[in-house]
Order: sequence, then structure tokens, then C-alpha cells
Amino acid sequence: DVKVTQSSRYLVKRTGEKVFLECVQDMDHENMFWYRQDPGLGLRLIYFSYDVKMKEKGDIPEGYSVSREKKERFSLILESASTNQTSMYLCASSPGAGVDYGYTFGSGTRLTVV
Amino acid sequence: GENVEQHPSTLSVQEGDSAVIKCTYSDSASNYFPWYKQELGKRPQLIIDIRSNVGEKKDQRIAVTLNKTAKHFSLHITETQPEDSAVYFCAASGRGGGNKLTFGTGTQLKVEL
Repeated sequence: DVKVTQSSRYLVKRTGEKVFLECVQDMDHENMFWYRQDPGLGLRLIYFSYDVKMKEKGDIPEGYSVSREKKERFSLILESASTNQTSMYLCASSPGAGVDYGYTFGSGTRLTVV
Repeated sequence: GENVEQHPSTLSVQEGDSAVIKCTYSDSASNYFPWYKQELGKRPQLIIDIRSNVGEKKDQRIAVTLNKTAKHFSLHITETQPEDSAVYFCAASGRGGGNKLTFGTGTQLKVEL
């Protein structure tokens, strides 16, 4: 019963390409998040959204943008992919409503930029 | 913003022993502290969490303690088993709302037979 789905498990893209990573959740959650995971650095927040069409920068937003046109879908966009964006990207969601909850994570997208 | 430090980065224990992972946080406004377990090749999964109005919480073999004054919290796993081998992440909510979590850098736990 997968609840947060990331469209691709593995992606290989060329430097300079525009890359779209898609995430869909079926739990009617308000909040959605994009993190990247790198060895020794843990999970670092790129962007998050607490409502449709709303977005907030996380700790490392440079080189990324996001789109949330529908409540269930949160897209991460790499405007011009670079090799230092090679990483595991994790999408997550949480209920919202002003109370902090643990996240439900997707399976991740391992992106390699060559 | 919030800063979370996690120690140790690697931990090796014998089966049946206890394991303790410690985290410190910087933002005194943080009020929610979850712990995640990530097995190799899988997504992080929430295993236990604690809120700032509670000092300790237990769920079978795992427990979490919180010291708000010192701004640190710890994960305790008793009677470790090989299936406990994984990477564990702590996290803390900061001010600003939106359920934003700042994660620690992770602890690789290995339970040896």
C-alpha cells in the first residue's frame, strides 16, 4: 500500500538538462517536502509546501524550483542539472493542520548527472 | 535556523546488547522530535517520536528520552537483534511552522551475531 510515490527510481541526465522529479501522495496531506540525501550529510531540505500553489525555500534551494498545482502532487525541478546535483532525492508528506507529525517518505529517486 | 547534531556516526554492538544514539538541537522553540530507521535501499520509516511536553516515551524495545534544558534527545534500543541493523536519523522541528524537520547526519548501527 504505497502512499507516497516517486515517479522514477533511477534517472541519468546530462549536464545542463532540465530535470523534473515527480511525487504523488494519496493521503490528502497538506504538507509536502523535497529532501536530498548524501552520505555523511543526512537529509537536507530543498523546498517544502504547506498548501496548493504555496512553496517555501528550505536549507539548500539553489539550483532547484518546485511546483504544486494540485494537493496530491509536488514536483521538483532542476533548472539546469549539474554534476553536484547527483544525489538521492526523497519526497515526503505530512498531514499539516498546525501540528507537527512524522513524515511518510517516498522510495526515493537516485539521480545521476553526467 | 535549526541545527541538529547526531552521534555517533557508526555504532557496532553485539546481539542482545543495548544501543544508544544521541542528538542535540539548537532551536529552543523545537517541540517535535521523530526518529527514523532506514534499511539499505529502502525509504526512511518513522519508528518513534516525542513531543516537548514529554520526557520519555517507550515502544517495546525502543525508547526516546528528551532533555529540553540541555536540548538533547536520545534513542535507546534494548536487546538488539540483527534486523535492527540500519541507519537511524534523528530530527527536530524548528520555528516557522509547516512541520519542517531538520535531520541529523545519521548513525549506521550494526548488530553483530
